[in-house]
Amino acid sequence: GAVVSQHPSWVICKSGTSVKIECRSLDFQATTMFWYRQFPKQSLMLMATSNEGSKATYEQGVEKDKFLINHASLTLSTLTVTSAHPEDSSFYICSAQTSGSADTQYFGPGTRLTVL
Amino acid sequence: EDKVVQSPLSLVVHEGDTVTLNCSYEVTNFRSLLWYKQEKKAPTFLFMLTSSGIEKKSGRLSSILDKKELFSILNITATQTGDSAVYLCAVIGFGNQFYFGTGTSLTVIP
Repeated sequence: GAVVSQHPSWVICKSGTSVKIECRSLDFQATTMFWYRQFPKQSLMLMATSNEGSKATYEQGVEKDKFLINHASLTLSTLTVTSAHPEDSSFYICSAQTSGSADTQYFGPGTRLTVL
Repeated sequence: EDKVVQSPLSLVVHEGDTVTLNCSYEVTNFRSLLWYKQEKKAPTFLFMLTSSGIEKKSGRLSSILDKKELFSILNITATQTGDSAVYLCAVIGFGNQFYFGTGTSLTVIP
């Protein structure tokens, strides 16, 4: 149980286009979802926290107009990278949390974005 | 099915104790195994292991990988209250996909 999927696994796009990444909890309801970006040396940076039905809370330094997060249902959150540029190329990982498990996050497999 | 399993799920110890956290995996085309410490925000990277039998050490923390038996352990000696956190294990497999365990919640009491 507690499976989180991401779609797509890998995406290559041209500079200036927008890319949408989906994060789904397959067998549980995710009241909270987190979006991370992986930086060199394997560190993960928390970008934003989203609660179902409300606006996402962005971490300092993350542009909310560039990284649009929508958590429209208890099983789906989307991250849209708008007007993507090569420096946005990275590995984006989501995780999901249920209301009854304060410490446990279930991570997705990640989406690799390459912007040409 | 690729998976990463961590044990125990939760652990409470006294300051000064030594703890061993376990991570076993079944992942296609294993590339590396990573350990993270997660407190409030994003997970903090601890170690990346790619070769069997080579211990990685950082202060009171150490980790080792056994690619034959498909597991890794994370040791913390002389634990302190600041070590209280969730420790995550992740394996990178085919296509650079991450497979995370659900973590071990460690609580160190004074």
